[in-house]
Amino acid sequence: GAVVSQHPSRVICKSGTSVKIECRSLDFQATTMFWYRQFPKQSLMLMATSNEGSKATYEQGVEKDKFLINHASLTLSTLTVTSAHPEDSSFYICSATREGRLSQPQHFGDGTRLSIL
Amino acid sequence: AQKITQTQPGMFVQEKEAVTLDCTYDTSDQSYGLFWYKQPSSGEMIFLIYQGSYDEQNATEGRYSLNFQKARKSANLVISASQLGDSAMYFCAMREVSIIQGAQKLVFGQGTRLTINP
Repeated sequence: GAVVSQHPSRVICKSGTSVKIECRSLDFQATTMFWYRQFPKQSLMLMATSNEGSKATYEQGVEKDKFLINHASLTLSTLTVTSAHPEDSSFYICSATREGRLSQPQHFGDGTRLSIL
Repeated sequence: AQKITQTQPGMFVQEKEAVTLDCTYDTSDQSYGLFWYKQPSSGEMIFLIYQGSYDEQNATEGRYSLNFQKARKSANLVISASQLGDSAMYFCAMREVSIIQGAQKLVFGQGTRLTINP
């Protein structure tokens, strides 16, 4: 079964709306979660690393004020797309890893398809 | 900076045949991990197989095996006896050991779209 849950799976909303996406690790504690963005027919692009109890680490070129990340507990990270515009339309997907060995894979949520009208 | 290269944008294979998906990587680290993920059209990322840089044997997982050639920095995925359900995007990814605790980021290749024909 799924070890990472992501909600909602799909969002369609008007320009200017803020959208919150949740990512939960279901059966393990995750001090670190990751948020990716994927454009059609392209690879996953890491947006930020979400750290429990501290500020997220954003990748170069990602607007911190546009993409707010909160990791308030060991099982939940949220991504809020603030004042979303059509160019923010994309597939957003989160992942989490059981801490420890390098061999531990990142487990992904099912992703969120965001469409801004 | 690390880099993952998948040179095959698309592959077409007949059902029941074996298929090899190429992946080369570039890193200056001695300790790293290589992963393959499958992404069906529905979008979820499914972990397939892992190879550690210090692993002496090639990883295998059911119909999936990894042809790891460390000197050539390649980690090709081999799918044996392909099935229609194998049609999907396949991504190669590398994770480095980081001095920053918990920040073991994955870097993905461009992906290969595999189509299995009946």
